[in-house]
Amino acid sequence: EVQLLESGGGLVQPGGSLRLSCAGSGFTFRNYGMNWVRQAPGKGLEWVSDISGNGGSTYYADSVKGRFTISRDNSKNTLHLQMNSLRAEDAATYYCAMGVGMNVWGPGTTVTVSS
Amino acid sequence: DVQMTQSPSSLSASVGDRVTITCRASQGISNSLAWFQQKPGKAPKSLIYDASRLQSGVPSKFSGSGSGTDFTLTISSLQPEDFAIYFCQQYKTYPFTFGPGTKVEIK
Repeated sequence: EVQLLESGGGLVQPGGSLRLSCAGSGFTFRNYGMNWVRQAPGKGLEWVSDISGNGGSTYYADSVKGRFTISRDNSKNTLHLQMNSLRAEDAATYYCAMGVGMNVWGPGTTVTVSS
Repeated sequence: DVQMTQSPSSLSASVGDRVTITCRASQGISNSLAWFQQKPGKAPKSLIYDASRLQSGVPSKFSGSGSGTDFTLTISSLQPEDFAIYFCQQYKTYPFTFGPGTKVEIK
């Protein structure tokens, strides 16, 4: 069974940093591009970033460009999102999703940005 | 950026009804469109990709159609477990963008 599990969320002060991780299992991780998508409380879905299967190509939403970095470790079947200079508007549940069509999603991890 | 709109924003329907949700892209996206279902407190679930291809394990009561700028998601016979929010998303052009969602409620 294909599964994704995010971790690393929590409470952080404005301007702080956080690193999210997403562990994949049940599929050949390196063969799939991976995405981060976020959802602020009571709001819609916002695509954040994605990375190709070999990690060679990365893309970002303008709202996070220059502050967030997506990466992956295919030897550990793990996706990461390094989030720096966090703002109140970055508070959300962050999901990782597999493939261009986002075929499978993890349950999400919640990021709270508050002083 | 490609803007995605959905209509209606919400609808009330009865069990057994046929429901159609429309999604429109601000520019042509070929068939690079997905549909997702989200229930309260849960992660989105993929229903349809490439505009009309049913995701594995998704019941055939769900169907998608369209190409270019106009797309539809149809639920042929609404069941209690189908009451949720439905989102469309384009993956033709970066940044990928989602529609604002359509909430399907019980009448």
